[in-house]
Amino acid sequence: ILNVEQSPQSLHVQEGDSTNFTCSFPSSNFYALHWYRWETAKSPEALFVMTLNGDEKKKGRISATLNTKEGYSYLYIKGSQPEDSATYLCAFLVDSWGKLQFGAGTQVVVTP
Amino acid sequence: DAGITQSPRHKVTETGTPVTLRCHQTENHRYMYWYRQDPGHGLRLIHYSYGVKDTDKGEVSDGYSVSRSKTEDFLLTLESATSSQTSVYFCAIRTDGPGELFFGEGSRLTVL
Repeated sequence: ILNVEQSPQSLHVQEGDSTNFTCSFPSSNFYALHWYRWETAKSPEALFVMTLNGDEKKKGRISATLNTKEGYSYLYIKGSQPEDSATYLCAFLVDSWGKLQFGAGTQVVVTP
Repeated sequence: DAGITQSPRHKVTETGTPVTLRCHQTENHRYMYWYRQDPGHGLRLIHYSYGVKDTDKGEVSDGYSVSRSKTEDFLLTLESATSSQTSVYFCAIRTDGPGELFFGEGSRLTVL
């Protein structure tokens, strides 16, 4: 079992503040790193698929960076809004056969 | 919306009974996955498939078996359900390459 670690486990953010959190993964044999947003009582939805060292992806106020050599990815939320409240999951593509393993997630709560 | 449906969506059963959950896709995607949702663990991989009759174990495969006899269907079977298997089960599909997962709506299983 490979370790895909996310930190912190939870975050409380004031509306308008920016925040970021981390996903760490094994740095050898990298295939891809995914980020998902998971709202309560819904199914997870993909935010980003990252494949290259140095990748930076952006969707609205959310962005992500990737460092495959040291085995980490950051997710940033700029100017947090209450609708950003969700659990953010990263998932590591373990091998070429498609095994995709998730971290435990970072729960973000944005208060007005 | 990705064409992926899970059935049943809700099931209550008793310890020791067999249970089968079905995942059906209309997208002709190669990869299919079964995850379970566990508090503090995010999504944990049970089994996955990389083609018809090609399946492999995930992190928490004990007590579960799967079958994929057609591209569109991926079945998860609990041979003898236990209370520790009470969870929400998510099926997901994915295209070739590093692409993202598309999730079903989840199946809530309660084992009494």
